[in-house]
Amino acid sequence: EAQVTQNPRYLITVTGKKLTVTCSQNMNHEYMSWYRQDPGLGLRQIYYSMNVEVTDKGDVPEGYKVSRKEKRNFPLILESPSPNQTSLYFCASSFAHNTDTQYFGPGTRLTVL
Amino acid sequence: DQQVKQNSPSLSVQEGRISILNCDYTNSMFDYFLWYKKYPAEGPTFLISISSIKDKNEDGRFTVFLNKSAKHLSLHIVPSQPGDSAVYFCAASDGSNYQLIWGAGTKLIIKP
Repeated sequence: EAQVTQNPRYLITVTGKKLTVTCSQNMNHEYMSWYRQDPGLGLRQIYYSMNVEVTDKGDVPEGYKVSRKEKRNFPLILESPSPNQTSLYFCASSFAHNTDTQYFGPGTRLTVL
Repeated sequence: DQQVKQNSPSLSVQEGRISILNCDYTNSMFDYFLWYKKYPAEGPTFLISISSIKDKNEDGRFTVFLNKSAKHLSLHIVPSQPGDSAVYFCAASDGSNYQLIWGAGTKLIIKP
């Protein structure tokens, strides 16, 4: 089954404790992206990747890191989480471009205390 | 400053009637628009898209209309069904980079 998986689905952590949210897709997609969803703001892009070892900042990259060492995986790293990073995070992938149909993971609900 | 705006946070429609969801944008360079649908506890799923060279695109019960002069697009759902109850996001791209700009979403509630 074609899918995007994210782990964990729910995470409660404390300020400053490094964490990684994993994202994996099995569709051989080149384009992958991370979004955060906040009430009243919709989806905002954090980082995206056009292919292996090619990443770029989205609208809200501060406080986040990503890597794309393999085509299928695109982890999101919070080196020192802060309460303003409490949000719902989505990973997405598409064939080659942001205007191709993007397939989204189920989301990760992160709470930073 | 939000470049893509969905001014109605929610919309309630009777089953069987037409649902019209609206989206306005400010960037005249946007040339491709997409609608995604999101159920609770799931990620968004693609619904329909339109290029700026068209003013209408239809897919079954879903039709998207684009008015470039007004920088406005709308999604029509006819007839509305209970399974259409979801949050609908409008997104736009200007083709010059790999970003999509998203609206805040409209929650559609279909009443039986």
